[in-house]
Parts: sequence; structure tokens; C-alpha cells
Amino acid sequence: GENVEQHPSTLSVQEGDSAVIKCTYSDSASNYFPWYKQELGKRPQLIIDIRSNVGEKKDQRIAVTLNKTAKHFSLHITETQPEDSAVYFCAAGGSARQLTFGSGTQLTVLP
Amino acid sequence: GAGVSQSPRYKVAKRGQDVALRCDPISGHVSLFWYQQALGQGPEFLTYFQNEAQLDKSGLPSDRFFAERPEGSVSTLKIQRTQQEDSAVYLCASSYQVNTEAFFGQGTRLTVV
Repeated sequence: GENVEQHPSTLSVQEGDSAVIKCTYSDSASNYFPWYKQELGKRPQLIIDIRSNVGEKKDQRIAVTLNKTAKHFSLHITETQPEDSAVYFCAAGGSARQLTFGSGTQLTVLP
Repeated sequence: GAGVSQSPRYKVAKRGQDVALRCDPISGHVSLFWYQQALGQGPEFLTYFQNEAQLDKSGLPSDRFFAERPEGSVSTLKIQRTQQEDSAVYLCASSYQVNTEAFFGQGTRLTVV
């Protein structure tokens, strides 16, 4: 089955700096890669996703890149703000099967 | 409804007790997933339905876990003879199709004492 590795497990940045979270996956059949943000005690919420036919996608301060050859994808948050502090999960999925999640990154944005 | 709804939000069960967790997906969503999330960990897949058909139950940790979605809408996750290691947040998610955005419910926090 699919295996998703996520790094780092914790990340602290100064407000205004950039944050990068990286994930690798094992199943070359995976073609859908969402990123979820989960605040303490709340449900995971999708912030951005990318499909395998695209190498990069951007939405305001958030961008995701995908390297299918190397089987890794990354989340980039620019101009970080305190409200970006949360746990971020990457995931990988494919046709007719469920998402496999990474173990999460606790992002702390220091004011 | 406007989103995925789960009940109860919190459940305390005595070891050995049976519990039933309910998920109301977004209307029209074909795919429904159950995940288990331990503290500080990512969601771990339990089972997946497409309409009423349970297509994958490979993540269910033991035969004490059972899930159903008889009419292709509401789903119930049942845990028999609960054990302390079953304590976790159980998340339900639904999506229009399997490879599209999955919307999560707020989860049920199960504590087995």
C-alpha cells in the first residue's frame, strides 16, 4: 500500500518568513495530493491540492510543488502570519482508493 | 446539511462496552471514509464506502470494528468490546468522488476507561 513520509515534524518560523514542509510517497499510482490544516481540536480542512498532471499550484500565500519522478511534493507558505500556526498534513491518493496521510507538521509562527 | 456531521462529539466508554459512532455525510457525496486519529498523529485509514458498498476495510484494526452504510448515506462505525487502545478521535470524511476534495467531520473523541 501507499506510504507517506512527512518532514519536519515541528517547524518554528518568525512572522513574515517562509515555511516549507516536504512529503514523499511510495506508490507511483498516486495522482492526487492534498494538504490539510488542522487547528487544535478542530477538523482537518483542505488548504490546497495538486494533481499529477501539474507540477506547481499557487493560491495567494500558499503553493504546492510536485515532482512525480522523485515522488515528493512540498507545501510552501510565504509571509507567514500567527494564524498560520496549526498542524499541517500532506496526503496522497489515487483512483478508487482512500487518502493516505503523513504524520503531520506542527507549524508555529512566532510574532 | 452544510457539512459532514458526526455524533456524538465525545464518548466515554467502559472497557468492554460496545459503542456506535454516526456520520452524516454531505448530501450527494458518493464516497465516505472513516479514519482514526491518535493524539499527535495523522489520520489513519479504517474503511471506505462508495454509496452503500464497502470497497475497502483493510484498515480496520480488528474484527471488533464494523462499519456500515446501508442506504448509501448515513454511516455507522461500531466498536465491540472496547479496549483502552481504541481511545482516539474517529473522523469521518465524504467526497463527491473518491479522488476529489474530502470534507471532514469534527470527529468523535472516544475515551475508553
